[in-house]
Amino acid sequence: GDSVTQMEGPVTLSEEAFLTINCTYTATGYPSLFWYVQYPGEGLQLLLKATKADDKGSNKGFEATYRKETTSFHLEKGSVQVSDSAVYFCALTLSGGYNKLIFGAGTRLAVHP
Amino acid sequence: DAGITQSPRHKVTETGTPVTLRCHQTENHRYMYWYRQDPGHGLRLIHYSYGVKDTDKGEVSDGYSVSRSKTEDFLLTLESATSSQTSVYFCAIKAQGEGQPQHFGDGTRLSIL
Repeated sequence: GDSVTQMEGPVTLSEEAFLTINCTYTATGYPSLFWYVQYPGEGLQLLLKATKADDKGSNKGFEATYRKETTSFHLEKGSVQVSDSAVYFCALTLSGGYNKLIFGAGTRLAVHP
Repeated sequence: DAGITQSPRHKVTETGTPVTLRCHQTENHRYMYWYRQDPGHGLRLIHYSYGVKDTDKGEVSDGYSVSRSKTEDFLLTLESATSSQTSVYFCAIKAQGEGQPQHFGDGTRLSIL
């Protein structure tokens, strides 16, 4: 079935370090891909998205490129800040039906000064 | 931010009582969703709606019912609350169209004693 696999956390980094959170997917069709971020006590916020192969989503210094050949959508940021500490979810949705979102398990990021 | 309001934000109740959670949107989006988020399970879809009076079950619908009498409101009812329904509940909305993301409310933390 359709699924999303994320690297397990927690990921612990020092401020200004480079961040990569790996995400791979399995899908029968041509999904749209998303990264969401959840800060403590809050709901999920859309961070970025990509709807077709080779699209690059970007927002707030975060980037992810839709790689159809490797079925991946890795999240990257060149220099993390303490305020980036949160849980990050990779997700996909397929066309048709009720556009169900399929989530990865989430990766907790902790950034220390 | 998407105009989504969940109420109440916190609730404590007793086993066996009925509970209704409300999701209100100001975006006029067609699709609305209810999820629960639990440690170790990520987000799981309870019910969804694709229009007024049009609803259907998600993957964990037992013990829950929903109603949507207006575009802007989507109600989730626990008919007879049980301790296993202690969770954080999120509402999401989505515009019609391919690749549109879901946008989430801030959640309702429900404790059933």
